[in-house]
Amino acid sequence: DADVTQTPRNRITKTGKRIMLECSQTKGHDRMYWYRQDPGLGLRLIYYSFDVKDINKGEISDGYSVSRQAQAKFSLSLESAIPNQTALYFCATSDSGPGQGPYEQYFGPGTRLTVT
Amino acid sequence: QKEVEQNSGPLSVPEGAIASLNCTYSDRVSQSFFWYRQYSGKSPELIMSIYSNGDKEDGRFTAQLNKASQYVSLLIRDSQPSDSATYLCAVEGVNSGYALNFGKGTSLLVTP
Repeated sequence: DADVTQTPRNRITKTGKRIMLECSQTKGHDRMYWYRQDPGLGLRLIYYSFDVKDINKGEISDGYSVSRQAQAKFSLSLESAIPNQTALYFCATSDSGPGQGPYEQYFGPGTRLTVT
Repeated sequence: QKEVEQNSGPLSVPEGAIASLNCTYSDRVSQSFFWYRQYSGKSPELIMSIYSNGDKEDGRFTAQLNKASQYVSLLIRDSQPSDSATYLCAVEGVNSGYALNFGKGTSLLVTP
């Protein structure tokens, strides 16, 4: 079974709808991240979380919200979807701990979201 | 915004040759650096990480880091057609929860 899973894998929704993308991990990692990927723009950070009570905005958080329901689950919501939120969304996890690292990030399979 | 720059390519190399992928970064305090491979429509797959100056080898892959020059590279020896993908350079952002700042990627094409 995959260590990092995302649901749904594909989603088409209409402008103005609220949708949720879910991420679960079995790696036991504390840190979880949401990125989006757009052609020509690369991967950009939306939100990140160190643990259930520690959630932080990333570079492009406007229009998004997140919930860390448990160590293993991190959900991304689009409150009112708009067409320029059409993108490939990735969840990632990494370990934390003493020492310098590096703390490698592992990515889920992605959710392809289309907002019409 | 901390910048990570990569040549977008495409970089074309013949099968069996060495592919050299380069990356520069702007944040001098960055400590950890990563190379990911991404096939079209798929998720990034970690190839290597490096945080000490010098070379780090893993199979056909060698990562090179020069913090003074703010430069990191990836060499792929004996390139295979299956290596054809986009290679993403990522730099750990100290001030963003160790999230990664990604370059836009270099497209590599290995021709038989």
